[in-house]
Amino acid sequence: KQEVTQIPAALSVPEGENLVLNCSFTDSAIYNLQWFRQDPGKGLTSLLLIQSSQREQTSGRLNASLDKSSGRSTLYIAASQPGDSATYLCAVRPIGGTSYGKLTFGQGTILTVHP
Amino acid sequence: EPEVTQTPSHQVTQMGQEVILRCVPISNHLYFYWYRQILGQKVEFLVSFYNNEISEKSEIFDDQFSVERPDGSNFTLKIRSTKLEDSAMYFCASRSLGLSGYTFGSGTRLTVV
Repeated sequence: KQEVTQIPAALSVPEGENLVLNCSFTDSAIYNLQWFRQDPGKGLTSLLLIQSSQREQTSGRLNASLDKSSGRSTLYIAASQPGDSATYLCAVRPIGGTSYGKLTFGQGTILTVHP
Repeated sequence: EPEVTQTPSHQVTQMGQEVILRCVPISNHLYFYWYRQILGQKVEFLVSFYNNEISEKSEIFDDQFSVERPDGSNFTLKIRSTKLEDSAMYFCASRSLGLSGYTFGSGTRLTVV
């Protein structure tokens, strides 16, 4: 059974710092991995989607990498801002089972960027 | 950018009552999902829906739950007789073909009292 773990559970940094959020998964047989942002009490906003054949994806100040063989992904946030404060979730879409693509989520990293 | 729309944003219901959560997926998407997140816990899969039928469901999705796509745009989740433990945020999601990513709605917070 696929398990997804995110480290750290919470992170507090001053504005302007570069930071790394970690995601690990137990079964490397995945189609892709998706990073989401969740503001308190709100929905999930997709940040980056990395296919299993890709090593990284970039969007603005965000860069996500994927090392499928070791079961790891990192989300790098450059020059953090208070507006980046949120919970960051990673989710994998495993190969196997049905092809309909249910996601398995990590528990998230709660990020606080203080001015 | 296309969005998945969910209504209502918050619903309070008494234990034993039926609730219907509504979703309008992105129009050209083909796969539809419901997930839920109990406060402080992981987002967990409930059910997937494709070609007008359930394609996969989790252990959580028992006989008290049902889904329907009554027309070409709406996708609903019904809970027949709510329990206190059904209190959670319910997310609708959709995606297009192949290896596309998911688009999630903003969620419905269900509180059962």
